[in-house]
Amino acid sequence: DSGVTQTPKHLITATGQRVTLRCSPRSGDLSVYWYQQSLDQGLQFLIQYYNGEERAKGNILERFSAQQFPDLHSELNLSSLELGDSALYFCASSVEGGANTGELFFGEGSRLTVL
Amino acid sequence: EDQVTQSPEALRLQEGESSSLNCSYTVSGLRGLFWYRQDPGKGPEFLFTLYSAGEEKEKERLKATLTKKESFLHITAPKPEDSATYLCAVAPRGQNFVFGPGTRLSVLP
Repeated sequence: DSGVTQTPKHLITATGQRVTLRCSPRSGDLSVYWYQQSLDQGLQFLIQYYNGEERAKGNILERFSAQQFPDLHSELNLSSLELGDSALYFCASSVEGGANTGELFFGEGSRLTVL
Repeated sequence: EDQVTQSPEALRLQEGESSSLNCSYTVSGLRGLFWYRQDPGKGPEFLFTLYSAGEEKEKERLKATLTKKESFLHITAPKPEDSATYLCAVAPRGQNFVFGPGTRLSVLP
């Protein structure tokens, strides 16, 4: 158990809809990262937050947005969903400097299926 | 463009049959190279960080090595519980991690 909690574990929705994925980081971790994993793209970095502030942005679509709240949990909002958004979405957390040590702690992911 | 490739894509070994997985990278300034293990339906689990050419790290049956252009994950006398996808990632300077596509390892009893 990594200590990172993601909900929901599975989500099935229709094209055009909007969903919210939630992540609670490990106790004490200030950094939260969101990744998307699909069969043809591998693990793609979306966005990173540190203590409530956006720190880095990757290949995140404009239809997607995220935030980190004062209690450090984070939410990833996906809107105007398309079939191609079907993927596993992972949240990871780390201590300060985790981006240098490489030690990210991943949750078990939220599997999104868009029909 | 920063890039990570891994080979082979899939590897099937008999229990006790040692082998190596390869991670080749092209990055604009390397802050670190990382190995992760991912079991089906689970999130990746951190294994090692390597910072400079010549560095080696070991953990049980796994040993990771780093050169200027690639890293190897050596698996000695593997067991079925070592079956997983092994992911390599690099941290280019000023950027977040870039993950490779992974090698799916199956160890048969």
